[in-house]
Amino acid sequence: GQSLEQPSEVTAVEGAIVQINCTYQTSGFYGLSWYQQHDGGAPTFLSYNALDGLEETGRFSSFLSRSDSYGYLLLQELQMKDSASYFCAVRDEGNQGGKLIFGQGTELSVKP
Amino acid sequence: DVKVTQSSRYLVKRTGEKVFLECVQDMDHENMFWYRQDPGLGLRLIYFSYDVKMKEKGDIPEGYSVSREKKERFSLILESASTNQTSMYLCASTSGHGYTFGSGTRLTVV
Repeated sequence: GQSLEQPSEVTAVEGAIVQINCTYQTSGFYGLSWYQQHDGGAPTFLSYNALDGLEETGRFSSFLSRSDSYGYLLLQELQMKDSASYFCAVRDEGNQGGKLIFGQGTELSVKP
Repeated sequence: DVKVTQSSRYLVKRTGEKVFLECVQDMDHENMFWYRQDPGLGLRLIYFSYDVKMKEKGDIPEGYSVSREKKERFSLILESASTNQTSMYLCASTSGHGYTFGSGTRLTVV
């Protein structure tokens, strides 16, 4: 079957760095994405990795290792507003903009 | 501001009713999706469409159908609502790597 594994909860303090891991097992792989969802809100797109390595966008970075079927989202200089759920998602077919398989989500709590 | 609009934020329906959830996007995207979100289960794909009048089953299509008569509109239909279809329903569209999601419809079936 197809599955994505990520921790259910992570807690960190303001100003710290936190890493949210995601391992995947899918029939195909055409990229790993990350989404943020605040309580009661819609998921919003954060990042996309198709090739191995680190992609940086401001305080957020995303990493991919295809040989390990593993990626992570790194959040630096944590702020209270970063408290949210974070989902990793894999595109398992070659159609750009194709369907995504989502992980169960990681709830990040940022404490003062 | 580009967006995906879902017609209702909250809905309460009775068991056995036929329910229509509407989704409209203004970004001229080819690809549209319906997911349901339940605590601890993440987002699960119900149906998707890569073109007008085209539809494909996702991972959990049972009890649902869809309609895509126009490019901008993708409707989810619950043929006969059941209590196990109580959930948050999210519509999304894309033409590239990132999805744009609607605000969701929280459906309660009583």
